[in-house]
Amino acid sequence: QKEVEQDPGPLSVPEGAIVSLNCTYSNSAFQYFMWYRQYSRKGPELLMYTYSSGNKEDGRFTAQVDKSSKYISLFIRDSQPSDSATYLCAMSGGGSISSGSARQLTFGSGTQLTVLP
Amino acid sequence: DTGVSQDPRHKITKRGQNVTFRCDPISEHNRLYWYRQTLGQGPEFLTYFQNEAQLEKSRLLSDRFSAERPKGSFSTLEIQRTEQGDSAMYLCASRGLVGERLYFGPGTRLTVT
Repeated sequence: QKEVEQDPGPLSVPEGAIVSLNCTYSNSAFQYFMWYRQYSRKGPELLMYTYSSGNKEDGRFTAQVDKSSKYISLFIRDSQPSDSATYLCAMSGGGSISSGSARQLTFGSGTQLTVLP
Repeated sequence: DTGVSQDPRHKITKRGQNVTFRCDPISEHNRLYWYRQTLGQGPEFLTYFQNEAQLEKSRLLSDRFSAERPKGSFSTLEIQRTEQGDSAMYLCASRGLVGERLYFGPGTRLTVT
């Protein structure tokens, strides 16, 4: 079983729809939770970053973390065709960077989203 | 452009050949990561540098793979005796002293024929 599981999609929605993307994880040490957006043949770019449980809102995007359920979500309101991309959840935690721990990100497999005009 | 850069962007090579990729991180970032991403999958961690020291290596990094960061600035990833299974996007990322954000480069897409 992978440490991070992500709904594979692909997901196709009409413009203006609310999109819900989700990941579950098994490692209780994860404390930092991120969503990256990746356009075709590009590197991932950070979209949202959350520490521990709770919600965070940035414009049309809302990230939710429920550590008790080991479940994170990304909501996109009023989706636009320009939101069409692959969305990757990522998480890290444990260890101290100052001590040399990599604290590398562990990624989900990504959900491919298409927003139709 | 002050982001992470990678060179080349694309590389096609024949099985058995050696290839080398370069990554230039954001200048003030002392932490550098290499990831590999195959089609339909998320990036998988390969190795981590703090300054010039290689501090962690994934089990994915076989003996044919070697990475260096000789002066704590740019990094190279070499694959010897390439195999078709090495075909993937190789991503470099860097991180500063504080925060969890990784800044990714555009990647080097390797195709082994």
